[in-house]
Amino acid sequence: DGGITQSPKYLFRKEGQNVTLSCEQNLNHDAMYWYRQDPGQGLRLIYYSQIVNDFQKGDIAEGYSVSREKKESFPLTVTSAQKNPTAFYLCASSNPTGYGYTFGSGTRLTVV
Amino acid sequence: AQSVTQPDIHITVSEGASLELRCNYSYGATPYLFWYVQSPGQGLQLLLKYFSGDTLVQGIKGFEAEFKRSQSSFNLRKPSVHWSDAAEYFCAVGRNSGNTPLVFGKGTRLSVIA
Repeated sequence: DGGITQSPKYLFRKEGQNVTLSCEQNLNHDAMYWYRQDPGQGLRLIYYSQIVNDFQKGDIAEGYSVSREKKESFPLTVTSAQKNPTAFYLCASSNPTGYGYTFGSGTRLTVV
Repeated sequence: AQSVTQPDIHITVSEGASLELRCNYSYGATPYLFWYVQSPGQGLQLLLKYFSGDTLVQGIKGFEAEFKRSQSSFNLRKPSVHWSDAAEYFCAVGRNSGNTPLVFGKGTRLSVIA
């Protein structure tokens, strides 16, 4: 079945370390998105990509980086510059927006 | 800029009672509107969407929503709530062209009591 796979489900990181969250889709969707979810804050857009080898910053891109070398993959790196990285991270894809997103099951990142 | 307001942070209803979750949006053109549901620790699942046409849209799990342009609202309703409906619900708005990001509200947490 087609879908989006996020891994790992839980991730622990020490302060000062970079960490990469994986997002893979087999839906043949052109666009992919990363959102951060904090309690009471809803979903906030980090980065999105509408096509391979291109991506745009969202509302809270500082301290994060992405790449889109393949249509299926859109990994997110949380760098040591992100001051408060502990959160639930959601990846989504669409083709096109009007049909809604398909979401992954999320990665919970905890900085220890 | 687009924005979405969900005025109710938390709602508690009795099982079998009716439900209405409120959503107001701000957008300069005809929006694409969505309702999603999220169980704890999971991703979001699409309940229903509105593009154009009939302003009352039906979704999965017995949910429906009504688009009211004059009120900039897209409220979610269900006639009889089941305990399994307890979850967080998000309203979202998007542009009607291309692959552009959705803007989400902050969510409404629904609790269901016996």
